[in-house]
Amino acid sequence: QKEVEQNSGPLSVPEGAIASLNCTYSDRVSQSFFWYRQYSGKSPELIMSIYSNGDKEDGRFTAQLNKASQYVSLLIRDSQPSDSATYLCAVDSGGGADGLTFGKGTHLIIQP
Amino acid sequence: AAGVIQSPRHLIKEKRETATLKCYPIPRHDTVYWYQQGPGQDPQFLISFYEKMQSDKGSIPDRFSAQQFSDYHSELNMSSLELGDSALYFCASSLQKETLYEQYFGPGTRLTVT
Repeated sequence: QKEVEQNSGPLSVPEGAIASLNCTYSDRVSQSFFWYRQYSGKSPELIMSIYSNGDKEDGRFTAQLNKASQYVSLLIRDSQPSDSATYLCAVDSGGGADGLTFGKGTHLIIQP
Repeated sequence: AAGVIQSPRHLIKEKRETATLKCYPIPRHDTVYWYQQGPGQDPQFLISFYEKMQSDKGSIPDRFSAQQFSDYHSELNMSSLELGDSALYFCASSLQKETLYEQYFGPGTRLTVT
């Protein structure tokens, strides 16, 4: 049974600060890792993908992957009120057309 | 840029009725996935198709079936609807070789079973 664990929050961060979101996964053969942002009642929006150990940066977002520790994180720099949303960590174990296993999401609140 | 299209956006059905949800993937995308998201829950994978063949199967009830057509659009057929089927249903698409399995989600269909 594949499991993806996230702290449900809410995580409250002041505007302009760095928000740090964490995720652990159980399946060691997992190969692809994704972060989605979801506003209430809307669809998940892909914001980062990462496949190799280390850091990957895209604008204000940095994803970090440590396969030995089975750990994925997302850093959001210069947090904005519009970043307030639920962030879903998702894992794809086999590649190809496999479905994603999602964590339950972390509710992030950016305080103006 | 073109996105995933889902129809209808809202659907109200009664118990024991049937429903058909449609998904039109991003142009050139060859893989379609279906997810179910209940209130306050994370998306649960149902089923996927690659090049019109079923590729992976998740927690899809036997009452549900799906297929991908020659134009790559997909339909999710749901029969003998139950109250617990009320949820958001998302379709996602990807292009296997070029986008490294990144899945892009459509706006969803909100199904309410009364």
